[in-house]
Amino acid sequence: GNSVTQMEGPVTLSEEAFLTINCTYTATGYPSLFWYVQYPGEGLQLLLKATKADDKGSNKGFEATYRKETTSFHLEKGSVQVSDSAVYFCALKAAGNKLTFGGGTRVLVKP
Amino acid sequence: DAGVIQSPRHEVTEMGQEVTLRCKPISGHDYLFWYRQTMMRGLELLIYFNNNVPIDDSGMPEDRFSAKMPNASFSTLKIQPSEPRDSAVYFCASSFLPRTGAPQAFFGQGTRLTVV
Repeated sequence: GNSVTQMEGPVTLSEEAFLTINCTYTATGYPSLFWYVQYPGEGLQLLLKATKADDKGSNKGFEATYRKETTSFHLEKGSVQVSDSAVYFCALKAAGNKLTFGGGTRVLVKP
Repeated sequence: DAGVIQSPRHEVTEMGQEVTLRCKPISGHDYLFWYRQTMMRGLELLIYFNNNVPIDDSGMPEDRFSAKMPNASFSTLKIQPSEPRDSAVYFCASSFLPRTGAPQAFFGQGTRLTVV
């Protein structure tokens, strides 16, 4: 079946540090890949997505590249802010319209 | 559009009571999803509907859980009887399949359920 594995948190960083959250997946066919972000007390929001190999999704300074050869979709941001403190979820959508989520990675950015 | 609307935001109930969670999806979205989020298990898909029809309910933990979607603008998730281990945040999400590109799921703010 489909599955998503992402690094466990929490990840604690200082402001302006570089952030990487690793995500790898297992899926049949050619899934679409997503990163969602959940701020405290809120639901998940789509951060970025990529629909095919070598696509790069980007938003709010975050980037992730769909790597089919390594079945990965790592999330990166060059300079984090305190406001980036949240839980980040990697997800895939294969056949049908069902999202499979990773376990989430909590990121805490300290001033 | 106001987004996906869930009610109540918080629910505290005693073990054995019936709990009903409500969701209003975004107008025009033909997929609706119910998720449960806990520290131990992360985000779990319980059930999803397409055009008001349940497509996959394999994530529903047991018969105490049931979900309905009587029309395109309303869905309920019911737990009867509730147990303390049902305590979690329950999210509803809706989406549609675009002609091109990947669909985007929009989440409600969740219902925090505490069963004591």
